[in-house]
Amino acid sequence: DAKTTQPPSMDCAEGRAANLPCNHSTISGNEYVYWYRQIHSQGPQYIIHGLKNNETNEMASLIITEDRKSSTLILPHATLRDTAVYYCIVVADFGNEKLTFGTGTRLTIIP
Amino acid sequence: GAVVSQHPSWVICKSGTSVKIECRSLDFQATTMFWYRQFPKQSLMLMATSNEGSKATYEQGVEKDKFLINHASLTLSTLTVTSAHPEDSSFYICSARDPSGLVETQYFGPGTRLLVL
Repeated sequence: DAKTTQPPSMDCAEGRAANLPCNHSTISGNEYVYWYRQIHSQGPQYIIHGLKNNETNEMASLIITEDRKSSTLILPHATLRDTAVYYCIVVADFGNEKLTFGTGTRLTIIP
Repeated sequence: GAVVSQHPSWVICKSGTSVKIECRSLDFQATTMFWYRQFPKQSLMLMATSNEGSKATYEQGVEKDKFLINHASLTLSTLTVTSAHPEDSSFYICSARDPSGLVETQYFGPGTRLLVL
């Protein structure tokens, strides 16, 4: 019952912007889009989240389409340390709190 | 962001023994912590939700008598793998939510790698 769909893998050149897509066509009005990443053999790391509006923080930008059926995580200047599996997760009103991880996108930054 | 630690970071044990893994929220109080398991090349799977002062809620298919969870304080939850077998070898990760934080999210520990021989 995956709520999100992501490409299994992507490559990006070092220094370039990495754009990671996510489809969540069945998203409900009260559900947020969260992005985490997991570097090899570590616990997941929170990146960013949003509801309707685009968001930006020191790590990344999140672009959510107007119909909210898809989003894109943007790492503006990818470095080798950004190589990781990136998970797009839809979760309602964090009071529910269960995070369901899909298979994510394995992003490889190429020197 | 908030910090969650786990101990030990890795453990090797003999089949049939029990192993305890600790999860601590270092700079915040967590009424709820979560335990995940991750097998090689697979995604994280939620095992159980740990609530301070009450019984844990286990996901379907997770044996509560095998994976004992104790959440005795607002900063500590423990997962005990009882009578471990080689198929229990996995990467165990906990997470906690900081209810007072500015960002509504869960913070994850670094994980504990368990190898059962």
